[in-house]
Formats: sequence, C-alpha cells, structure tokens
Amino acid sequence: AQKVTQAQTEISVVEKEDVTLDCVYETRDTTYYLFWYKQPPSGELVFLIRRNSFDEQNEISGRYSWNFQKSTSSFNFTITASQVVDSAVYFCALSEEYSGAGSYQLTFGKGTKLSVIP
Amino acid sequence: DAMVIQNPRYQVTQFGKPVTLSCSQTLNHNVMYWYQQKSSQAPKLLFHYYDKDFNNEADTPDNFQSRRPNTSFCFLDIRSPGLGDAAMYLCATSRDPAQQETQYFGPGTRLLVL
Repeated sequence: AQKVTQAQTEISVVEKEDVTLDCVYETRDTTYYLFWYKQPPSGELVFLIRRNSFDEQNEISGRYSWNFQKSTSSFNFTITASQVVDSAVYFCALSEEYSGAGSYQLTFGKGTKLSVIP
Repeated sequence: DAMVIQNPRYQVTQFGKPVTLSCSQTLNHNVMYWYQQKSSQAPKLLFHYYDKDFNNEADTPDNFQSRRPNTSFCFLDIRSPGLGDAAMYLCATSRDPAQQETQYFGPGTRLLVL
C-alpha cells in the first residue's frame, strides 16, 4: 500500500520568514507522480505542482520552491518570505494505481496547517 | 475560464432527508470524482466516473450514490443523511487517469445535518 506522511501537523511562522513543509512517501511503483495542493479556509483545494518521479530537478515558482529527493523519498515544499495569504492547509499527495485497472487515484497526506502571523 | 463548479456552497438538511449535491465542469475532462472531507482530515475518495464507467470505493457506504448524466455534470445523492455525514464534499476532475493527470477541484459543498 502506498503512503504519504506529513509529519508536521501545524506550523506557525512570522510574516516574511521562510518555511519548509515536509512530505515523505512510500511506493513500490517505478513511475509515479507527486502533487501539492493548498486548501485555504474557504475550502477549495488549489493545485500547486505535479512532479514526475523521473524528474528530480528542483522547481521554483515565484516564492514557492520544491525539493524532490528520490533517494530519501521526500518531496518538500518551501515558501520564501511568507505572507499572511499563505495561511492554509497544505496537502502532499501521491498517485496510486486504482485496483490494477490502469487508472490512478490520489493518496493524500494528512496535511500541514500553516499559520502566518503578521 | 475553464473550471469546476459546485452547487450549493452550503447545504443544510435534516436527519434522514435525502439530499443531492451537484458538480459541473467546463474542462471537458473524462473523469469526475467525489470526495468527502471531515474537519482536520484529508479528503477521502467516495467514487469516480471514468466517462460512464462508475467506480465505487470499497468502504463507501451504500447511503451514497452518484449519477453522471453527461460529460459535464455529476451528482452526489445521500439517501438518508446521518449526523456523521456532515462534512465538506469536494468534486474533482481529471483528463486521463491512466496518465496520472492532475485533479482539479471545485470549491466544495459544506453539508450540515440537523
């Protein structure tokens, strides 16, 4: 069974600090995808990134960056110069084959609640 | 903009009274998913449609049903809501699950059962 662990349940930072959200996963698949979603208090899950297991290059998008380390099965997410609008629950997810049917579903971690204090 | 729409955003129903939640999409995606998310928990997949093929999760209660009359719309029917069914219900779509494509979520419907 596949598994996604987000060990940090809640994190609080002061505005403008950098913060890293950890994600560790387990899978037996050789090809897989990892995702990060943001869920603000309004409830909608907002897609942030999708990463193929063969692509270990780090990615940067504005204040967001992701560090994928296949050797340690980690896919960590860093927010630089955090802002109050970054306050949300962040979910890491792994694609998992659905009942051997050739289609895939997401296995989510339990999420990390980030609070950015002004 | 292409998007996933859920109506209503908030739904209040009475214990045992059937309720239907709706989801529509303008992305023309093949797959539509329904998730249940309780407070401080991760979303839990209830079922999904790949075109007209319905796939039910093994632990989804019989009380939950779904319909997909066409590509754009998908409904979640709760036949006899209990207090434990109060949750956020999220609809999502993806283009091709075999390619592990991204799932795009709607804003969700918060269900309250009195």
